[in-house]
Amino acid sequence: NAGVTQTPKFQVLKTGQSMTLQCAQDMNHEYMSWYRQDPGMGLRLIHYSVGAGITDQGEVPNGYNVSRSTTEDFPLRLLSAAPSQTSVYFCASRKAGLDGYTFGSGTRLTVV
Amino acid sequence: QQQVKQSPQSLIVQKGGISIINCAYENTAFDYFPWYQQFPGKGPALLIAIRPDVSEKKEGRFTISFNKSAKQFSLHIMDSQPGDSATYFCAASKGFQKLVFGTGTRLLVSP
Repeated sequence: NAGVTQTPKFQVLKTGQSMTLQCAQDMNHEYMSWYRQDPGMGLRLIHYSVGAGITDQGEVPNGYNVSRSTTEDFPLRLLSAAPSQTSVYFCASRKAGLDGYTFGSGTRLTVV
Repeated sequence: QQQVKQSPQSLIVQKGGISIINCAYENTAFDYFPWYQQFPGKGPALLIAIRPDVSEKKEGRFTISFNKSAKQFSLHIMDSQPGDSATYFCAASKGFQKLVFGTGTRLLVSP
């Protein structure tokens, strides 16, 4: 099992550009989430999904879109990057009925 | 709005000592309180978690103490080791789904 795989590991974007952060898990986990981690602010939930075809907003959803067409994949799309979106992004997954999220190793995004 | 407040921001403990990190929450609907450990360049990993029907949970050197009336919970690391040096996050949620994280505590255990 590879666990939760995030790509790319690093990315630099110019303001206004769009991009997709990829997240894939091979554990057949129903629940998947995207968090952003900023210094002094902990991790904040962006979007989450309870299964294929079902997504919902978290605490800081503005500027981000998600979709869940398969159980395995949960991409995060930045529509028009802004410097405020400079952060480390983590994808996480969890098996229904069990606690404990498995996190990916993160994508460090810089918007200039 | 900080729903989960964590302190201290950083902590230095000597090897063999006890590390204590505290968290306070506001939402009385929260019923799940995990602690995550994060090493540099890695994602957080679940360390230990507690539900509000118990006041303490111990796993090896790690103990969660929970005070429902005060809406506080804490992580105690006994016999702290240099390998415990990491950032620790408390979190809370209703059910297991939408975790709300604290701001993190950077722990350094000196040899």
